[in-house]
Amino acid sequence: QKEVEQDPGPLSVPEGAIVSLNCTYSNSAFQYFMWYRQYSRKGPELLMYTYSSGNKEDGRFTAQVDKSSKYISLFIRDSQPSDSATYLCAMSGLGGATNKLIFGTGTLLAVQP
Amino acid sequence: DSGVTQTPKHLITATGQRVTLRCSPRSGDLSVYWYQQSLDQGLQFLIQYYNGEERAKGNILERFSAQQFPDLHSELNLSSLELGDSALYFCASSVDPGATEAFFGQGTRLTVV
Repeated sequence: QKEVEQDPGPLSVPEGAIVSLNCTYSNSAFQYFMWYRQYSRKGPELLMYTYSSGNKEDGRFTAQVDKSSKYISLFIRDSQPSDSATYLCAMSGLGGATNKLIFGTGTLLAVQP
Repeated sequence: DSGVTQTPKHLITATGQRVTLRCSPRSGDLSVYWYQQSLDQGLQFLIQYYNGEERAKGNILERFSAQQFPDLHSELNLSSLELGDSALYFCASSVDPGATEAFFGQGTRLTVV
């Protein structure tokens, strides 16, 4: 079993829809939870960062972490065609948010105009 | 542009050969990370350096080695290449291992034929 599980999709939604992306994990030591966005032929870029449990909002994006269920989510409101990309969840434990990041396999999202 | 530079962008080589991938981190970043991204495994952490010293290792094969030089650039050496080594290799950098964000380069696409 992988430490981090993520539905690969693809997920296709109409412009303006609310998108929900999720990951589950098995390692209780994870404390840092991140969402990276990767456009085709580009490197991943950090979208959201959360330490421990709770919610974090940044514009149209909301990240949620439920450590008791070992479940994290990313919500995108009013989705735009420019949001079309692969979304990767990533986690790390002791040692810092960038230390030995464990990534999910990524969910490919397509927002149709 | 993340500020992380990887060369070359593309590399095609034969099985059994050896290649060197190069990474220049963002100005001021002391930590460098190497990741391998393949279709079936997703983004996998290989190795991390901090200010010239190896800091953490992931599932890096013995045929692979890396180093970080005094000017902080890093090289990933892949030897006795196999078809299964074909993948995207990303370098990322951060100020230090405790930073909240790692900045990824554009990657080197390695094709082994």
